[in-house]
Amino acid sequence: ETGVTQTPRHLVMGMTNKKSLKCEQHLGHNAMYWYKQSAKKPLELMFVYSLEERVENNSVPSRFSPECPNSSHLFLHLHTLQPEDSALYLCASSQTSPGANVLTFGAGSRLTVL
Amino acid sequence: QKEVEQDPGPLSVPEGAIVSLNCTYSNSAFQYFMWYRQYSRKGPELLMYTYSSGNKEDGRFTAQVDKSSKYISLFIRDSQPSDSATYLCAMTFSASKIIFGSGTRLSIRP
Repeated sequence: ETGVTQTPRHLVMGMTNKKSLKCEQHLGHNAMYWYKQSAKKPLELMFVYSLEERVENNSVPSRFSPECPNSSHLFLHLHTLQPEDSALYLCASSQTSPGANVLTFGAGSRLTVL
Repeated sequence: QKEVEQDPGPLSVPEGAIVSLNCTYSNSAFQYFMWYRQYSRKGPELLMYTYSSGNKEDGRFTAQVDKSSKYISLFIRDSQPSDSATYLCAMTFSASKIIFGSGTRLSIRP
């Protein structure tokens, strides 16, 4: 496996379900991110982990709960979601450095909430 | 006013045409400017990265930054059907907070 791998690629869940999205990076990067991508909207940064510590949480509802057990793995735990949470959830990683961090994205997990 | 404005398209051009994609922004503190390309059912991938004003060329792609006008462009020469994708502009002034445009969907007709 190379790059950033996300599973599952597609997920359909009811509003009362609990599910998790998984992300794994094989690049030796020290920062990982969750983004939400909705149609015709800019990418929305949800969470940032740097050296396994959460450094950013952009007012995301508590029904989204991130977990970063080590520098290679990132999870997004989902519970009691709403239909408007249906979107493509992208994981990314980067190596923090002076200047802009270049993000490497996974292929995304397409979430549908019924 | 959005921090970054990008025309969502869709933009359809014939093969071989020169394509111009653009973004405007409001925050004069942005220093790093990027273009990401996203194919259908894939995540975005970095295409071009520039610092401050000026031009950067990579093969058929040229990125241009005009900080005085708060305007960035991506030019694609000799466009190919394989260039059909959504193009996202992105910019930042810090190491963590990257602001993305909403993306322009581009289709190259054979």
